[in-house]
Amino acid sequence: AQKITQTQPGMFVQEKEAVTLDCTYDTSDPSYGLFWYKQPSSGEMIFLIYQGSYDQQNATEGRYSLNFQKARKSANLVISASQLGDSAMYFCAMRGGDYSSNTGKLIFGQGTTLQVKP
Amino acid sequence: DVKVTQSSRYLVKRTGEKVFLECVQDMDHENMFWYRQDPGLGLRLIYFSYDVKMKEKGDIPEGYSVSREKKERFSLILESASTNQTSMYLCASSPGTAKNEQYFGPGTRLTVT
Repeated sequence: AQKITQTQPGMFVQEKEAVTLDCTYDTSDPSYGLFWYKQPSSGEMIFLIYQGSYDQQNATEGRYSLNFQKARKSANLVISASQLGDSAMYFCAMRGGDYSSNTGKLIFGQGTTLQVKP
Repeated sequence: DVKVTQSSRYLVKRTGEKVFLECVQDMDHENMFWYRQDPGLGLRLIYFSYDVKMKEKGDIPEGYSVSREKKERFSLILESASTNQTSMYLCASSPGTAKNEQYFGPGTRLTVT
């Protein structure tokens, strides 16, 4: 069975510092995709970054990077130079298997609440 | 930009009422999804649709039904609302590409009294 685990319910970071949000996954599918979403207090889920299982390089999008360690089955999100607007809940998600790839079905972790201190 | 809209941000209904939550996307996406989000439980998939008139149950379909008569619209129906269906409901769509990332609407916070 596929599973996503986020072990940090809540984290604090000082403004302008970097922070790492942990995510581990479990799947037997050779082809899968990993996603990170941000959910501010307004409630809307915002897509941040994507990593495919066959991608050779770690994904980056602006201040977001994904530290993909395939052998350890981890896909941690790194936010550099934190800003007050980064305060939100962050979800890791996985899409796996041919059927899931076609339908786009995702499974989500429990989420990590990040608070950025001024 | 992809736009996913939901009919209401906040909704209050009485126990036993039939409730319709509407979701519309404007990017011709193949797939659409309904989730509910509860504190400590994350996002749980209720139903999804990978084509017009095609639907599949997610992890928690009990008490819900869906309808997708047009590609851009996916409706979630609570046939007889109950207090345990008080939750945040999120709709999403994805394009059916290899990456297939999901884009979410703003959510509907439903309270059943």
